[in-house]
Amino acid sequence: EAQVTQNPRYLITVTGKKLTVTCSQNMNHEYMSWYRQDPGLGLRQIYYSMNVEVTDKGDVPEGYKVSRKEKRNFPLILESPSPNQTSLYFCASSPTSGGYNEQFFGPGTRLTVL
Amino acid sequence: AQSVSQHNHHVILSEAASLELGCNYSYGGTVNLFWYVQYPGQHLQLLLKYFSGDPLVKGIKGFEAEFIKSKFSFNLRKPSVQWSDTAEYFCAVIRGSTLGRLYFGRGTQLTVWP
Repeated sequence: EAQVTQNPRYLITVTGKKLTVTCSQNMNHEYMSWYRQDPGLGLRQIYYSMNVEVTDKGDVPEGYKVSRKEKRNFPLILESPSPNQTSLYFCASSPTSGGYNEQFFGPGTRLTVL
Repeated sequence: AQSVSQHNHHVILSEAASLELGCNYSYGGTVNLFWYVQYPGQHLQLLLKYFSGDPLVKGIKGFEAEFIKSKFSFNLRKPSVQWSDTAEYFCAVIRGSTLGRLYFGRGTQLTVWP
């Protein structure tokens, strides 16, 4: 089944404890992206990757890192999480490198930072 | 400033009522436009998209949207809503000048009473 998977789906952690949220797609898509969803703010783009060689910042990159070492994976890294990073996170992928076609979203990761 | 505006934060309708959700964006030049839907507890799914051509686009589940370039608008419509349409709806824009960057509106929560 063609899909975007994220792990973990739920995570409760404490301030300052490094964590990684994994994202993987099996559709051979060039483009991948991370978003966070907060009530009343919609979705905001954190980072995106046009292809394996190109990664760039979105609207809210502070406090996050990403890595695109291979086409199918695009992990989101929080080196030192803080409570304001408590949010619902979505990974997405798209077949074209510009991401200008439909994006396919993962199931989401609900992160709570205490 | 929010570059994609959804005017209605929460819309409540009875079944069979007609629906129109507003979306305006503030970018000039070429844009690709999307409406995504998020059913309770689920990830985002594409309802419809506009790239070029006929400004009236039809999507899944009886939804349609009209692109009016002069008004920078891309309003979503459905002639007769159903209880199962209860969800959050997001308008999103990709600009031709900044490929990779997907800008979302803040979302409209639609509640349909049976």
